[in-house]
Amino acid sequence: AQKVTQAQTEISVVEKEDVTLDCVYETRDTTYYLFWYKQPPSGELVFLIRRNSFDEQNEISGRYSWNFQKSTSSFNFTITASQVVDSAVYFCALSEELGQGNLIFGKGTKLSVKP
Amino acid sequence: DVKVTQSSRYLVKRTGEKVFLECVQDMDHENMFWYRQDPGLGLRLIYFSYDVKMKEKGDIPEGYSVSREKKERFSLILESASTNQTSMYLCASSFAGLYDGYTFGSGTRLTVV
Repeated sequence: AQKVTQAQTEISVVEKEDVTLDCVYETRDTTYYLFWYKQPPSGELVFLIRRNSFDEQNEISGRYSWNFQKSTSSFNFTITASQVVDSAVYFCALSEELGQGNLIFGKGTKLSVKP
Repeated sequence: DVKVTQSSRYLVKRTGEKVFLECVQDMDHENMFWYRQDPGLGLRLIYFSYDVKMKEKGDIPEGYSVSREKKERFSLILESASTNQTSMYLCASSFAGLYDGYTFGSGTRLTVV
């Protein structure tokens, strides 16, 4: 069965600190897709990244970076030099069918960045 | 700017009422989804639809039904609202096949009293 675990319920950091949000997943499929979403206080989930199971290259986008490791079934998200605007709930999600199947979400990690 | 629009941001209904939550997308997406979000439980899938007039049960369909008469609109129906259906409801849509994730609406916070 599919499962996504975000062990960190809440994290609080001071601005400019680096922070890593952990995500561990379970799936029996060899082809699957991993996602990260951001949910700011306004409520709308915002897509951040999709990673395919056959592409283990790490990705960097500005202050955001993602570390995908199939050996440990992890897809961790790092924010470098955090800012107050990064305060949000972050969800990791898994899908076994791109665009067809539904997303299985973790329970989310609430990140608070204090000035 | 592409959008998924949910008709109400906040809604208060009485126990036993029939409640309609509406969701409209303007991206010509095939797939549409209804999730509910509760503290400590994350997002759980209620129903989804791959095409007009098609629907599939998600993980927690009990007490809900859906309607998709047009491609752009996906309605969630609470047949007889109960207090345990007080929650944040999120609608999402996506293309079949290649896509960049789901596009979510802003959510409807429903309170059943």
